[in-house]
Amino acid sequence: EAGVTQSPTHLIKTRGQQVTLRCSPISGHTSVYWYQQALGLGLQFLLWYDEGEERNRGNFPPRFSGRQFPNYSSELNVNALELEDSALYLCASSYDRGLNTIYFGEGSWLTVV
Amino acid sequence: KNEVEQSPQNLTAQEGEFITINCSYSVGISALHWLQQHPGGGIVSLFMLSSGKKKHGRLIATINIQEKHSSLHITASHPRDSAVYICAGDVPRSQGNLIFGKGTKLSVKP
Repeated sequence: EAGVTQSPTHLIKTRGQQVTLRCSPISGHTSVYWYQQALGLGLQFLLWYDEGEERNRGNFPPRFSGRQFPNYSSELNVNALELEDSALYLCASSYDRGLNTIYFGEGSWLTVV
Repeated sequence: KNEVEQSPQNLTAQEGEFITINCSYSVGISALHWLQQHPGGGIVSLFMLSSGKKKHGRLIATINIQEKHSSLHITASHPRDSAVYICAGDVPRSQGNLIFGKGTKLSVKP
């Protein structure tokens, strides 16, 4: 069974550009979570999608957004990129809303120059 | 002060040693997760605990709800255990918002 897959694995963008990161959850999982891990800051919660709806978002500006598709895959969009957005973006999925079993992807490394 | 604190920040051990990583939290949580992050970035969920103790192979995790403290133990450590270990608190009705510790970087030397 395939795990949580993310793409792209690495990318470099210029300040002010926009980026889209993609995540495919484990088959049967309806909840998708996005986390940011910036250098020296530890993991921070970004967004939670379940059954196609945004259920919760962390303390990030509106230029961080996303969506979940009918097949439960998800996109994270970041507009007007800033240097501080350079980070590892991790997607995770679970089959319930209680985080009882959570599986993480390998992440997307974003560098903003 | 972070709501979830880990110690030590860095840990170097010799192969075969018994290792303990500690996690203390100041918020009420419904469960605590232990995660393992390898240098490439990917994260593996090791345990989710709401009480007591869990064991998986050479890994043991314990939690004391009253003392708001959890420990991750590794018996007979091996170089392949080298990774960053992160604890994360699941706050009731958190809706995905895990509160993460900053991680403990473990290096096991052969």
